[in-house]
Parts: sequence; structure tokens; C-alpha cells
Amino acid sequence: GAVVSQHPSRVICKSGTSVKIECRSLDFQATTMFWYRQFPKQSLMLMATSNEGSKATYEQGVEKDKFLINHASLTLSTLTVTSAHPEDSSFYICSAESGTGNTGELFFGEGSRLTVL
Amino acid sequence: SQKIEQNSEALNIQEGKTATLTCNYTNYSPAYLQWYRQDPGRGPVFLLLIRENEKEKRKERLKVTFDTTLKQSLFHITASQPADSATYLCALYNFNKFYFGSGTKLNVKP
Repeated sequence: GAVVSQHPSRVICKSGTSVKIECRSLDFQATTMFWYRQFPKQSLMLMATSNEGSKATYEQGVEKDKFLINHASLTLSTLTVTSAHPEDSSFYICSAESGTGNTGELFFGEGSRLTVL
Repeated sequence: SQKIEQNSEALNIQEGKTATLTCNYTNYSPAYLQWYRQDPGRGPVFLLLIRENEKEKRKERLKVTFDTTLKQSLFHITASQPADSATYLCALYNFNKFYFGSGTKLNVKP
């Protein structure tokens, strides 16, 4: 199946700093990628839909100035958590649909665990 | 409000038995529904997709049913194995987005 790579897998930062998470589709082109966050024992919460070459679409309640999303190419989307605070600590996961022979399957990255001290 | 509900309590079964997990939803009209497996600290992995006009789908030891009248999907694992122990998530595709349930943890005991 298609492969989505996410980096870094773990990051610890100080409160007030910004953190960038990268999501790459390794063997397919993804015009659309999705960013989720997941708290322990809870569901994946859709944060935003990232579209190549255009602005991301954010879900209600998600601050677009806090969570900056850039989808500069068909294989790379980035999520930047700006001025991170301890409440931003979470598991962030990206996903993408394979554009060819689309079966509706989502391919997920391995996730990035962010800890803000 | 929109909801996707999965049993939050863990399902404990004996190896060799059939595990059945439930996904109920309200106020969605999904074009299709999917099931994913998630292991601790990892991203979800796709298992099966079933479309709104399909009632049942099978893949090896897995079977999914989809009842759009009841707004429910059932996910079955036959001849379960300890390696099947994981959290299973259902996801709905609704208006070009995917929405997930909170998952049910399955424990298969040898």
C-alpha cells in the first residue's frame, strides 16, 4: 500500500516555541491531506484539510493562526504549532488519500507525539 | 449533533472466538464507512471499506456489515488470535471528510 511518512515522531519543546511537523507521501501524489490530533483513549479529531496549492480548510474550533498548515507540493504538507503551550501536547497524525485508483482508503503517517513543557 | 459511537469498554474474548464490534452514528449520511486498526503509539491502518449500497463485505477473517437504516456497522473478526489485539476505529466519509469514532479496544486472550 501507499506510504505516508511523518517526522518527527517525538518532539519535546518549551512553552512559547514553535514546532513543525512534516507529512510526506512517499510513493504517490496527494492533492489532499488531513491533519488529526488524538488525546489518550480518544478519537482522532479532524483539525484541518490541507489542499495542495491553496489554503487549508480548518474545522470549527481549530485556530488557524495557531496551527499553520502549508501544502506546498503534491507530496508534502507541514503543520506548525505556533507558540506552543502545554495544552497543545497531543498525538498529531496526518493522512492522505492515494490519488490513483482511489478506493477511499486513507493512508496514515506514524504520528508525532508533541510534549510541551 | 453528529456522533459516531463505539463501545468505549474493552472487549475481552478467548482465542478462536469471533469478536464483534459495533459502530453507531447519528446525523451523518456517509457515502461509505471504513474500519481501521490502531496499535498503541501508531497511526491507524486501513482494514475494510463498505459503501452505502453494500450490506456486507469480507476480507479473509474480517467481515463488515453496514445498515444505513439502523445507522450501524458491525465489524467481525472470526477465529480471533492474540495478534488481533488492538483498538479498532470506524470512520465515516461524509462530504469529502473522514470522521472517526473513539475506537474499541479488543483483547484476545490465548
